[in-house]
Amino acid sequence: GQQLNQSPQSMFIQEGEDVSMNCTSSSIFNTWLWYKQDPGEGPVLLIALYKAGELTSNGRLTAQFGITRKDSFLNISASIPSDVGIYFCAGMNYGGSQGNLIFGKGTKLSVKP
Amino acid sequence: DSGVTQTPKHLITATGQRVTLRCSPRSGDLSVYWYQQSLDQGLQFLIQYYNGEERAKGNILERFSAQQFPDLHSELNLSSLELGDSALYFCASSVGSGSFGYTFGSGTRLTVV
Repeated sequence: GQQLNQSPQSMFIQEGEDVSMNCTSSSIFNTWLWYKQDPGEGPVLLIALYKAGELTSNGRLTAQFGITRKDSFLNISASIPSDVGIYFCAGMNYGGSQGNLIFGKGTKLSVKP
Repeated sequence: DSGVTQTPKHLITATGQRVTLRCSPRSGDLSVYWYQQSLDQGLQFLIQYYNGEERAKGNILERFSAQQFPDLHSELNLSSLELGDSALYFCASSVGSGSFGYTFGSGTRLTVV
């Protein structure tokens, strides 16, 4: 089925460093979402983007909805150990009766104290 | 606690068997979504129900079926299980059709031996 290309697949960084990950698609979406998944838990919504070009922040997290509507990126500034986890991008075209998300394969983030 | 309840948390069963996974959505949410998460495929959308009716179907095998009951809880039935069905199965819920992202449960880890 349709899938998003998310990169990098994994990252090993030092505490305090900034992190950047992105997601691209061959088709356009009208909504981009970023989720974080901790071990043994379900994904938790971090940021939702609804408009091309939109830049949204949530604490140390910043995400942007690409102008072409085919891409999005997520930045984490000044990483801390609790940022460890898997980050997923997801695209959706809501409206009508369907609201299913298409997920990227995730970026696994490891932070060294 | 996300408000989405999934049971059981873990399930171990033999090939050829049938299992039922249960999901109770957050209070007030009408949509329920089922996703399968395996190591190599990431999060794959299976099926969506909205207020008791099927709304969207993804990569759901014919051996799998789901329903949403009048009290809005949902069950995912997996039959003639194969080793490859071993995965995490997540349920998520939203008020409408997911336009604001949705809330995931903690998942059911299914192991087929």
